[in-house]
Amino acid sequence: NAGVTQTPKFRILKIGQSMTLQCTQDMNHNYMYWYRQDPGMGLKLIYYSVGAGITDKGEVPNGYNVSRSTTEDFPLRLELAAPSQTSVYFCASSYVRGEDGDTQYFGPGTRLTVL
Amino acid sequence: GNSVTQMEGPVTLSEEAFLTINCTYTATGYPSLFWYVQYPGEGLQLLLKATKADDKGSNKGFEATYRKETTSFHLEKGSVQVSDSAVYFCALRSGSARQLTFGSGTQLTVLP
Repeated sequence: NAGVTQTPKFRILKIGQSMTLQCTQDMNHNYMYWYRQDPGMGLKLIYYSVGAGITDKGEVPNGYNVSRSTTEDFPLRLELAAPSQTSVYFCASSYVRGEDGDTQYFGPGTRLTVL
Repeated sequence: GNSVTQMEGPVTLSEEAFLTINCTYTATGYPSLFWYVQYPGEGLQLLLKATKADDKGSNKGFEATYRKETTSFHLEKGSVQVSDSAVYFCALRSGSARQLTFGSGTQLTVLP
């Protein structure tokens, strides 16, 4: 049981380039989330998904897109990267029911730098 | 809207010292409250949680009590260890929404 995995761990992009951050979970969780963490700040929600085929915006969605074609995968797409998107990106998942339903499980993060 | 305010860091303590990290919140309804911990180079892990007023969450010697009257969820540990050095985040989940609202985090360093 690997939990939540993210790739890549590090990436440097040039302004205007695009990339996809991958996230996979093997816990059969229905909810998945993308957060960004800026230095000295808490995490801010970018997008989330309540199940395959259903996604919704979080607090800071501009400049990002997501899709959820399977329960396991929740990729985050950056189009036209900007320096303001330099951050650490965390994917998380949770199960909606039961005593553990409130707990979000986080991946190890992707550190992205846009130059 | 929902918000979480955490004690400013960084906090530096000697081993075996008493730890308190303050957390207060603003939320609609009756939120669930959490403390997450982030060790260097890793993702966040749930440390403890409380889902209703007066509940006490506890784990690894850490405790926090859900105080509705003061809208607080302060984290405490009686005797910290070097291995407790990490960033600690207070968070809440309110209503039917599943997403978390995080505080800004408190960096704790424990010296031997």
